[in-house]
Amino acid sequence: DQQVKQNSPSLSVQEGRISILNCDYTNSMFDYFLWYKKYPAEGPTFLISISSIKDKNEDGRFTVFLNKSAKHLSLHIVPSQPGDSAVYFCAAPEGFQKLVFGTGTRLLVSP
Amino acid sequence: DAGITQSPRYKITETGRQVTLMCHQTWSHSYMFWYRQDLGHGLRLIYYSAAADITDKGEVPDGYVVSRSKTENFPLTLESATRSQTSVYFCASRMAGNSGNTIYFGEGSWLTVV
Repeated sequence: DQQVKQNSPSLSVQEGRISILNCDYTNSMFDYFLWYKKYPAEGPTFLISISSIKDKNEDGRFTVFLNKSAKHLSLHIVPSQPGDSAVYFCAAPEGFQKLVFGTGTRLLVSP
Repeated sequence: DAGITQSPRYKITETGRQVTLMCHQTWSHSYMFWYRQDLGHGLRLIYYSAAADITDKGEVPDGYVVSRSKTENFPLTLESATRSQTSVYFCASRMAGNSGNTIYFGEGSWLTVV
């Protein structure tokens, strides 16, 4: 059973506009969330995280929002740039040792 | 700073063959992981290791074997490769501590089983 879900496999946005990537989770014990970004032929790299004690965390053009009651988080990229085109994974720690990843959303930012 | 390296990067093998994917990290990270990436499934954990000589199963361990005799190495072996094991395999590592610590991934090993 997928504990972290990304229901949109792909998203297309024009350069300069906002990209919103969504993630839902089922395990109410999750208290920390991460976003990873993956370019083709490369490994995923850490992008941004958020603790459940916050509802927002911002890092430059990237902001993650957390709605605990809805078990939903979203990653906003403003403004979107062509270099942001990649696959984005949300993830949550399961227990003390492991990270559980979502299925990923492929973002395409067109000039 | 070499980081985390995987080899081979690309491999084609036949059904039934044994294949070993190598992973080496230079950070002395306690934890190491093997994930596979498949369309529609995202990144799924195969095996992980909390320290040398300590390994544990992840979400999809069947058909795979791991070992960790040294902290820096974490090889993944497919004992008898099947077509369903065609995938991209990522090795990763992180420091000791809670699972929210940043995981660092290798560049991936593309495996095709024919």
